[in-house]
Formats: sequence, structure tokens, C-alpha cells
Amino acid sequence: GENVEQHPSTLSVQEGDSAVIKCTYSDSASNYFPWYKQELGKRPQLIIDIRSNVGEKKDQRIAVTLNKTAKHFSLHITETQPEDSAVYFCAAGDKLVFGAGTILRVKS
Amino acid sequence: ETGVTQSPTHLIKTRGQQVTLRCSSQSGHNTVSWYQQALGQGPQFIFQYYREEENGRGNFPPRFSGLQFPNYSSELNVNALELDDSALYLCASSLPWAAGYGYTFGSGTRLTVV
Repeated sequence: GENVEQHPSTLSVQEGDSAVIKCTYSDSASNYFPWYKQELGKRPQLIIDIRSNVGEKKDQRIAVTLNKTAKHFSLHITETQPEDSAVYFCAAGDKLVFGAGTILRVKS
Repeated sequence: ETGVTQSPTHLIKTRGQQVTLRCSSQSGHNTVSWYQQALGQGPQFIFQYYREEENGRGNFPPRFSGLQFPNYSSELNVNALELDDSALYLCASSLPWAAGYGYTFGSGTRLTVV
């Protein structure tokens, strides 16, 4: 079955800097890769997703890149703001196998 | 509001008891998945239902079972509760997968087993 590894487990950045979170997956048949943001005590919220026929997708300050050959995908957040502080999860496949999460702290 | 609602929001049960959690999917969403999220971890896939049939199952024992109804709402049943079943249980719904839509999560049910 699918296995997803996510790094780093925690990430602290200064407000205005960029943040990058990386995930690798094991099942080459997976073709859907979403990213979720989860604030304390709240539901995971989809922030961006990418399918395997696309290498990169961007939505304002957020971008996701996918390398199907290497089986890894990354989340890029530019111009970080304090409200970006949360736990971010990557996932892979149509049943959503999640990574362990990254705690992002944006220091003002 | 996402349209995916779960009930109850919190629940305390005793070890060995049985519990039923409920999920109302967003209008028109015929695919529902259930996840278990232990504290400090990512959600773990339990199973998925598509048009009232189970459509995939994660690494959970048979005492975790589910149903999907004709209106696409869903239930998660857990028998013989264990302390390790304490977690946030999330359901997520989607439009038909082939249409290319992602999943929307409900707010979850916080289950505590004592």
C-alpha cells in the first residue's frame, strides 16, 4: 500500500520568509496529491492539490510541485504571515494516505 | 460552512462498549471516507464508501465497520472499544472521483475511551 513521509516535522520561519515542506510517496500508481492545513482543534482544510498530469500548480502565495519520477512533492509558501501558523499535512492517492504533518510557526 | 457535518462532537465511552458516529456529507457528494486522527498524528484512513458500497479499507480491524445510506450520509461503528481508540474521527466527502474533485472534511467527533 501507499506510504507517505513528510519533512520537516517542525519548521520555524520569520514573517515574510518562504517555507517549504516536502513529502515522498511509495505507490507509483497514486495520481492525486493534496495539502491540508489544520489549525488547533479544527478540521483539515484543503489549501491546494495537484494531479499527476501537472508538474506545478500555484494559488497566490501557495504553490505545489510534483516530481513523479522521484515520487516526491513539495508545498511552497511565500511571504509567510503569522496566520499561516498551523499543522500542514500532505496526502497521496484517491483514499488519502497522509504524512505525519509539519508544525509551521511564523514568527513576527 | 463546508456542508459536511458530524455528530456528536464529543463522546466519552467505557472500554468494551460500542459507539456509532454519524456523518452527513455535502449535498451531492456520493463518496464518503472515514479517518482516525490520534493526537499529534496525521489522519489514518479507515474505509471509504461509494454509492452505499465499501470501496477500500485501511489497516483497521473488523470491529470498525460502516454504512452509507441512500442519501449518502454515513455511519462509523466501533465495537469492543479499546483505550487506543481514543482519537478524533473525521469524515470527508467528495463529488464523484472521476470528476476531479477533492475531499471536504467535517469537524470531527472527539472520542474518549476510559
